[in-house]
Amino acid sequence: AQTVTQSQPEMSVQEAETVTLSCTYDTSESDYYLFWYKQPPSRQMILVIRQEAYKQQNATENRFSVNFQKAAKSFSLKISDSQLGDAAMYFCAYRSLNNDMRFGAGTRLTVKP
Amino acid sequence: DTAVSQTPKYLVTQMGNDKSIKCEQNLGHDTMYWYKQDSKKFLKIMFSYNNKELIINETVPNRFSPKSPDKAHLNLHINSLELGDSAVYFCASSHGRGHQPQHFGDGTRLSIL
Repeated sequence: AQTVTQSQPEMSVQEAETVTLSCTYDTSESDYYLFWYKQPPSRQMILVIRQEAYKQQNATENRFSVNFQKAAKSFSLKISDSQLGDAAMYFCAYRSLNNDMRFGAGTRLTVKP
Repeated sequence: DTAVSQTPKYLVTQMGNDKSIKCEQNLGHDTMYWYKQDSKKFLKIMFSYNNKELIINETVPNRFSPKSPDKAHLNLHINSLELGDSAVYFCASSHGRGHQPQHFGDGTRLSIL
């Protein structure tokens, strides 16, 4: 079964600075999807960004971008110009073609004013 | 017009009771899921249904029984509740194929006394 590892239980960043959250995964599949979800204290799960494994180009959504390294099985999230509202738990997720979805343990991001 | 709605949002009950959590989505998705998030925020898939058919059934006690009366609904019934069942349960939905992300409900916090 696929596993997703987030090695940083907690991270902090100064407002307006940039922070990178790490994610690695283990799989024998060649095609799959990767996601980052955000869970603020309200406990909603909010999609931040997604990446198809067959696309080499890194996904970007406004201040959020990923560094997808397929050979290294790495999928890190970069948040630029951090804002107070970015404070949340961030989950990396792997989805196989049969819809099996696996989440990492999460990284708690604190944004300091 | 909530996309994925779960009821109730909070559920407090005694050990040994039977309870149900309801989930409905109005996104026209054909696949629905149940996840359990424990006190350490670890999110784990429990079940997945595609067009009312069970496609993912993780190692979950048979006290948990999902029921999908139609593509828009996936309910979770739990028999003989135990202390370890205390968690937040999330319902989610997505299109069955492709890179479309899963949309999550707001979660149901289940507390066993």
